[in-house]
Amino acid sequence: ETGVTQSPTHLIKTRGQQVTLRCSSQSGHNTVSWYQQALGQGPQFIFQYYREEENGRGNFPPRFSGLQFPNYSSELNVNALELDDSALYLCASSLGSPLYNEQFFGPGTRLTVL
Amino acid sequence: QQQVKQSPQSLIVQKGGISIINCAYENTAFDYFPWYQQFPGKGPALLIAIRPDVSEKKEGRFTISFNKSAKQFSLHIMDSQPGDSATYFCAASASGNQFYFGTGTSLTVIP
Repeated sequence: ETGVTQSPTHLIKTRGQQVTLRCSSQSGHNTVSWYQQALGQGPQFIFQYYREEENGRGNFPPRFSGLQFPNYSSELNVNALELDDSALYLCASSLGSPLYNEQFFGPGTRLTVL
Repeated sequence: QQQVKQSPQSLIVQKGGISIINCAYENTAFDYFPWYQQFPGKGPALLIAIRPDVSEKKEGRFTISFNKSAKQFSLHIMDSQPGDSATYFCAASASGNQFYFGTGTSLTVIP
């Protein structure tokens, strides 16, 4: 069974650019959540997708958007990058609600905005 | 506003000792309280979780104590080992479609 994978591992962008981060869910998992983890902080919830529909959103501006594909893989898109967007971006997958089934985290994508 | 407040920020414990990490919350709608363990370069991994209908849950050396009236919960690591050295996060959720994490506790277990 393959775990949650994310790509790329590291990414460097400049302010104002756009970035797309990718997440491949654990096999069979239909729910994906994205988190932003600033250095030395806990993960902050960005949004969750369930069966290709957005199922919840945290306090992030609209320039943070996402997609979930029919195979349940997912993308996080961030437009107009700001310096404060520098963080580790984590995705987590679960079979249904993570309230009842464990969500498994990927290793993250480290984004640096210069 | 931090939905879940976690303390201490860092903790140093001797091997064999007890590590205790505390969390507090305000939102009484929270009904699921997991603890996550994160090693450097890795994503968080679920360690143990509790629901508010019980006051304690134990899995091996890890125990969650939950005080619903005080809106507090804590993680106890018994017989702490150097391999337990990691960052620990408490979290809370009301509906499963949004999780609120604490700011983390860096635990160092000295051999």
